[in-house]
Amino acid sequence: GEDVEQSLFLSVREGDSSVINCTYTDSSSTYLYWYKQEPGAGLQLLTYIFSNMDMKQDQRLTVLLNKKDKHLSLRIADTQTGDSAIYFCAETSDMGRRALTFGSGTRLQVQP
Amino acid sequence: NAGVTQTPKFRILKIGQSMTLQCAQDMNHNYMYWYRQDPGMGLKLIYYSVGAGITDKGEVPNGYNVSRSTTEDFPLRLELAAPSQTSVYFCASSYNENGQKNIQYFGAGTRLSVL
Repeated sequence: GEDVEQSLFLSVREGDSSVINCTYTDSSSTYLYWYKQEPGAGLQLLTYIFSNMDMKQDQRLTVLLNKKDKHLSLRIADTQTGDSAIYFCAETSDMGRRALTFGSGTRLQVQP
Repeated sequence: NAGVTQTPKFRILKIGQSMTLQCAQDMNHNYMYWYRQDPGMGLKLIYYSVGAGITDKGEVPNGYNVSRSTTEDFPLRLELAAPSQTSVYFCASSYNENGQKNIQYFGAGTRLSVL
């Protein structure tokens, strides 16, 4: 079955760049997503990338996709304390259900 | 602009009790989903619906039931609550996009404890 894996924790200093990594197993994935979850809140879509793209940039966010290695990363430039949250990688796994398969999430801690 | 609304935000149940978690969306989305999130884990799909009157099981449907009588509402029913159902429950909805693009919008969640 499909599987999405992420590291559990990342700590950076304010102003540095953060890189959150994700690997997935489903070679038929066509869209991959990054969601952000702040404490006590639901998930909020940050960005997504189509599998025929290598990179997508959106303001401070850069998504890199290596389809050969099934590796996805999210880079946050100039990380702020407000970026502290859990970040989930997800991929579209089933055409019929259009459900998402989520990783376990990476907790990003930004130190002042 | 409400989006996806879940009620209640918190609930404590005794073992064997039942309850309904409510979910409503005002975006005219045809797809709706229920996920559960256990501590330190990702989200697991419980049930989903592709339109009014149509529902189907996800990865972890045991102990739950759903109905979809309208486009807007997708309640999740717990019968005979068990401690294993202690979790945070998220409802989500999405458009029926072409291809596999599936941008889901989430509610704020319902935190449920079964004691």
